Amino acid sequence: RKEVEQDPGPFNVPEGATVAFNCTYSNSASQSFFWYRQDCRKEPKLLMSVYSSGNEDGRFTAQLNRASQYISLLIRDSKLSDSATYLCAVGGVGGSYIPTFGRGTSLIVHP
Amino acid sequence: DAGVTQSPTHLIKTRGQHVTLRCSPISGHKSVSWYQQVLGQGPQFIFQYYEKEERGRGNFPDRFSARQFPNYSSELNVNALLLGDSALYLCASSLAGVAGIQYFGAGTRLSVL
Repeated sequence: RKEVEQDPGPFNVPEGATVAFNCTYSNSASQSFFWYRQDCRKEPKLLMSVYSSGNEDGRFTAQLNRASQYISLLIRDSKLSDSATYLCAVGGVGGSYIPTFGRGTSLIVHP
Repeated sequence: DAGVTQSPTHLIKTRGQHVTLRCSPISGHKSVSWYQQVLGQGPQFIFQYYEKEERGRGNFPDRFSARQFPNYSSELNVNALLLGDSALYLCASSLAGVAGIQYFGAGTRLSVL
């Protein structure tokens, strides 16, 4: 089993739709969780950290489910500009500062 | 403030050659990490340096090496290039004590022919 797994997609959704991605991780000792966004042929950029209590930033909501070992990202009211690959990153095992990235989930928002 | 800068942006090499990639972190960041990203995959961890010391090494062959300089900039060296080394090489800097948050440079796109 891979350390961090994501459905590669693509997820094709119309503008205004709500879409959710999950990311599962194998190491139950993981302590830090993140979502990054990567546009085509660009570098990944931090979208949001994921806290135990969940967190929200505008149209984006991230949640952590430790029992089932996954994190989720919900995007409401999708915009064309949300089209990108969304990478999850998991780390913090044994105090490590080195996150492991998933392969990413591709989102395509169409008019 | 300048972000993470990498050079060169693109590079074409032939099999067996050697390559050196360079990275300057965000001012004030003392940790630099290197990642390899092939098409359709997430970034794969190669090395992390903090205060000029190697803090972590990923599952890459000894042909890959790196170092960090006193000004916290870093170099990634790859010897005896193989076709499979063709990828986007990303450098990321981070603040000490902030686990996992990486600020990436635009990357060096390496093509090995």
